[in-house]
Amino acid sequence: AQKITQTQPGMFVQEKEAVTLDCTYDTSDQSYGLFWYKQPSSGEMIFLIYQGSYDEQNATEGRYSLNFQKARKSANLVISASQLGDSAMYFCAMRDVNAGGTSYGKLTFGQGTILTVHP
Amino acid sequence: ETGVTQSPTHLIKTRGQQVTLRCSSQSGHNTVSWYQQALGQGPQFIFQYYREEENGRGNFPPRFSGLQFPNYSSELNVNALELDDSALYLCASSAYRGEQYFGPGTRLTVT
Repeated sequence: AQKITQTQPGMFVQEKEAVTLDCTYDTSDQSYGLFWYKQPSSGEMIFLIYQGSYDEQNATEGRYSLNFQKARKSANLVISASQLGDSAMYFCAMRDVNAGGTSYGKLTFGQGTILTVHP
Repeated sequence: ETGVTQSPTHLIKTRGQQVTLRCSSQSGHNTVSWYQQALGQGPQFIFQYYREEENGRGNFPPRFSGLQFPNYSSELNVNALELDDSALYLCASSAYRGEQYFGPGTRLTVT
């Protein structure tokens, strides 16, 4: 079974500073995908960034980058130049991408980290 | 915005009642997944529908059921509501095994 662990219930960062949100995962699958989502107070899950298990380079999307360390089974999100609008709940999630068996692309989420950006 | 819509936005029901939540998928997507997110928790997978058939289910009892229609929109039905069913219900649409795009959710309160 897949498991995602986010050990930081809450994080604080000063505007314009960088922040790292931690995520570790556990899976016996060789092929998988890792995601980060942002959830504002409105509730909608907003996709931020994706890393495939066979991707050799860390994913980047604008101010978001994913620090992928496969041997440590970690997939930390780095947000550079934090903005007040970054204040939200952040979820790390995993998806099995194997084609066979009962794989159907379900996402397994962590418990989330609340990020607060101070002016 | 993702193009995935959900209705209603909020809902209050009494324990023992039944509820139907609706989701319209993004154009071109044939798969809908449903998730339950209790307050302060991460979303939990309920089930997925692909081409009108259930294509995988999480650890939820049979009183959670669903449908997918020919236009790929979907319904989540919950019978015999319990207090613990109070949560945000999220649907996500995708091409099969593709990227999942989430709707804004339906917040269900059971009293």
